[in-house]
Amino acid sequence: DTGVSQDPRHKITKRGQNVTFRCDPISEHNRLYWYRQTLGQGPEFLTYFQNEAQLEKSRLLSDRFSAERPKGSFSTLEIQRTEQGDSAMYLCASSPGGQANEKLFFGSGTQLSVL
Amino acid sequence: KQEVTQIPAALSVPEGENLVLNCSFTDSAIYNLQWFRQDPGKGLTSLLLIQSSQREQTSGRLNASLDKSSGRSTLYIAASQPGDSATYLCAVCPSGTASKLTFGTGTRLQVTL
Repeated sequence: DTGVSQDPRHKITKRGQNVTFRCDPISEHNRLYWYRQTLGQGPEFLTYFQNEAQLEKSRLLSDRFSAERPKGSFSTLEIQRTEQGDSAMYLCASSPGGQANEKLFFGSGTQLSVL
Repeated sequence: KQEVTQIPAALSVPEGENLVLNCSFTDSAIYNLQWFRQDPGKGLTSLLLIQSSQREQTSGRLNASLDKSSGRSTLYIAASQPGDSATYLCAVCPSGTASKLTFGTGTRLQVTL
């Protein structure tokens, strides 16, 4: 499978714990995006990378959130001190060359439940 | 702030019918508009991308139109099939620098036998 891969598919955690998600984009895709989707809503942009550089972060991304893409390949999204409001589907997407008129390729997401 | 609205929120049609999904956006300064499909518990699949200078795009039984000045787009599905059942999301891209999409809340489509 050469699509965007996300791990884990599901994560259940207790409030206050830290969680980390991983995204493996399509090989040689330069752009990588993180979106968050809550039930019944459309996805909301969180942040994106051009290779290893994080170029923009949404106001939705509080200080408890951090994303990295250390070698310009896979990316991780960490949430510290999780809150119940963090419960959502976290979606990763990638695109080839960094132009906005490219289609995005999404992974299947990581469903986070904070108890 | 850009807002994207999709009507109807849910739609049920018998197999074989043609149908139209609607999307409206408040800020006409967009770079492109995209339609996605999402199956339950899954990620999004890109269906069609219309650049701001274009009026429509077609792929198989799907046709998407864009009227940028009025802030509207439609997705036309011809001869619907049960396999078309999914949530359809439209999203607008505000600039030419990155795909920081603003999504609507989607139309949940069910095609019955």
